Amino acid sequence: DTGVSQNPRHKITKRGQNVTFRCDPISEHNRLYWYRQTLGQGPEFLTYFQNEAQLEKSRLLSDRFSAERPKGSFSTLEIQRTEQGDSAMYLCASSLGLSAGNTIYFGEGSWLTVV
Amino acid sequence: SQKIEQNSEALNIQEGKTATLTCNYTNYSPAYLQWYRQDPGRGPVFLLLIRENEKEKRKERLKVTFDTTLKQSLFHITASQPADSATYLCALDTGGGNKLTFGTGTQLKVEL
Repeated sequence: DTGVSQNPRHKITKRGQNVTFRCDPISEHNRLYWYRQTLGQGPEFLTYFQNEAQLEKSRLLSDRFSAERPKGSFSTLEIQRTEQGDSAMYLCASSLGLSAGNTIYFGEGSWLTVV
Repeated sequence: SQKIEQNSEALNIQEGKTATLTCNYTNYSPAYLQWYRQDPGRGPVFLLLIRENEKEKRKERLKVTFDTTLKQSLFHITASQPADSATYLCALDTGGGNKLTFGTGTQLKVEL
């Protein structure tokens, strides 16, 4: 198992364009999370899935953001009509089990630059 | 409002010394607290988890304490090495289900 995989690692896009990031969690991990991190800040929670069900969304996740995990395996995060304020690193993480306190494994992140 | 505070100033220490990083929080009652390491351009890597009923946790050269009365966690690296240089993040369980809220992190630099 190679850990949580994210693609692409870097994306530069023009303002107004749509972008999609993909996350492949560690196999058999039923929880998948998306976080956003800007320079000098800690990661901020965006949303998480238990299998294919999206259980919580942060108010940071505006209507332009949508996340899916169609078969309870990989997930996609789409940002529509990107704005310069969307420039950040988008981190995916996964964990095993339902009980709180299970170790969360992060991917290497997908850097987004909106120009 | 809820806050997690870590020293925003970088901590510079000499190799071999013990590094101590602080995480203070307000208006939370977390069931557990976690510490992560993050290298530039990389995702955070889990280091240690300590539960609310635990006072101290150790792993190799790492030690974490958790004082729920003071609402503070201390993270210690003993016999520090230049390879320990990184940003260290504390994170609290703030909603159950492993939803974590992170501090801003403290950058540690271990010099020869």
